[in-house]
Amino acid sequence: DAGVTQSPTHLIKTRGQQVTLRCSPKSGHDTVSWYQQALGQGPQFIFQYYEEEERQRGNFPDRFSGHQYPNYSSELNVNALLLGDSALYLCASSLGYRGRPQHFGDGTRLSIL
Amino acid sequence: AQSVTQLDSQVPVFEEAPVELRCNYSSSVSVYLFWYVQYPNQGLQLLLKYLSGSTLVKGINGFEAEFNKSQTSFHLRKPSVHISDTAEYFCAVSADNAGNMLTFGGGTRLMVKP
Repeated sequence: DAGVTQSPTHLIKTRGQQVTLRCSPKSGHDTVSWYQQALGQGPQFIFQYYEEEERQRGNFPDRFSGHQYPNYSSELNVNALLLGDSALYLCASSLGYRGRPQHFGDGTRLSIL
Repeated sequence: AQSVTQLDSQVPVFEEAPVELRCNYSSSVSVYLFWYVQYPNQGLQLLLKYLSGSTLVKGINGFEAEFNKSQTSFHLRKPSVHISDTAEYFCAVSADNAGNMLTFGGGTRLMVKP
C-alpha cells in the first residue's frame, strides 16, 4: 500500500522563477494538504484541497497556488520565487478532513539561489 | 485561531531513561491533538492522536500522551528511550470546526545518548 509520494525530492531554482511540486495521496485518501517547513521550524499550513477545490488556506500570498485532479493527486505552484521560499514542502493526505489524521510524504526540498 | 507551544527545544536523555516532551496549546474551540516524529531528511510520521474518549492515548514505538483539558496540555512520554528515538518531535492541533488543518509547535529535538 503506497503512502504519500512527492516529486521531485530536491529542486534548485533562482529568484523570480516559478516551480511546480507534485503529490500523490495515500491510497484511499481524498484530501490533500500542503505545508511549508523552514529549516529548524515546525510546518506551516499553506492550503488544503478536497473535491478539487481549495477548502482552507493559511497565511500565504497569492504567489502560492494549487490544484487537485480527479484522481486526488495535487500540485503546488509557486510564482516569482523569493529567497525566503527555500524550505521543505510537505504534502499530507487524509480520508475526509474533520478530525482525520494526516499522513505525510517525505517532502520536496526547494532551494532558491 | 489555535497556537501550540513546545516548551523545550532540545531534550537530552540517556538511553533507557524515561522522557517527557511537553506541549501546551491554546484554542477557543474544541481541538484534536497529535504528535508526529520527523527523522532526518524524512517527512512526518504520526505517533499518536487524541480525538475523544480516554485522555491517555497510546501510540507507536512505546509512546503515550495524556490530554489535560484544564491545563491545555498534551505531553508525550516514554518510559525507556532507545538510541533510535533520536529525532524531532512535533505537537499539533486541529480545531473541531476547521477541517483538519494542523497548527504545529516549533518542535523538540530528542537526543538519546548511550
